[in-house]
Amino acid sequence: GAVVSQHPSRVICKSGTSVKIECRSLDFQATTMFWYRQFPKQSLMLMATSNEGSKATYEQGVEKDKFLINHASLTLSTLTVTSAHPEDSSFYICSAPGRGNQPQHFGDGTRLSIL
Amino acid sequence: ELKVEQNPLFLSMQEGKNYTIYCNYSTTSDRLYWYRQDPGKSLESLFVLLSNGAVKQEGRLMASLDTKARLSTLHITAAVHDLSATYFCAVDPPLNYGGATNKLIFGTGTLLAVQP
Repeated sequence: GAVVSQHPSRVICKSGTSVKIECRSLDFQATTMFWYRQFPKQSLMLMATSNEGSKATYEQGVEKDKFLINHASLTLSTLTVTSAHPEDSSFYICSAPGRGNQPQHFGDGTRLSIL
Repeated sequence: ELKVEQNPLFLSMQEGKNYTIYCNYSTTSDRLYWYRQDPGKSLESLFVLLSNGAVKQEGRLMASLDTKARLSTLHITAAVHDLSATYFCAVDPPLNYGGATNKLIFGTGTLLAVQP
């Protein structure tokens, strides 16, 4: 079964709307979670590392004021796309590290479409 | 900056044929992962390769790692239509002082289309 739950799975909204995406670890605690973005027919790009109880670490070129990350508990990280515009339309995927060398656990992704 | 490149980017092959996907990365790493992505879906973990010379097999897929050449391969044997998907390799870049960041840098992806 899924070990990381992500929702919503799909969002369609108007330009200027802020959208919140949730990523939950099920049955385990995740002090770190990762947020990726994938444009159509492209690879996954790491946006930021979410750290429980502290500020997120953003990758170069990712606007921290645009993509707000909150990791207030050991099982929940949220990504808020503020004042979304059509260019923010993408597939957003969260993940949590596996134990030791095990692969990351990925959520099912959120397809965001801004009209 | 760590770069991870795959080739080919697109592969059309007939059922029953064999082929290899290549993954090259630009800096030292001892942890390499292979994932499968179906259209509109998230990632499914296929293999974890942790040391030079590591080889893992699952069904018609076999992955290997050569850390000295900074190369991993994903070999497909006797392809079937169900293997059609996009395949990504991903590298976990090391910290300067050792250990791993747990961040993943993904390859460009290979879209595999297996024709009946």
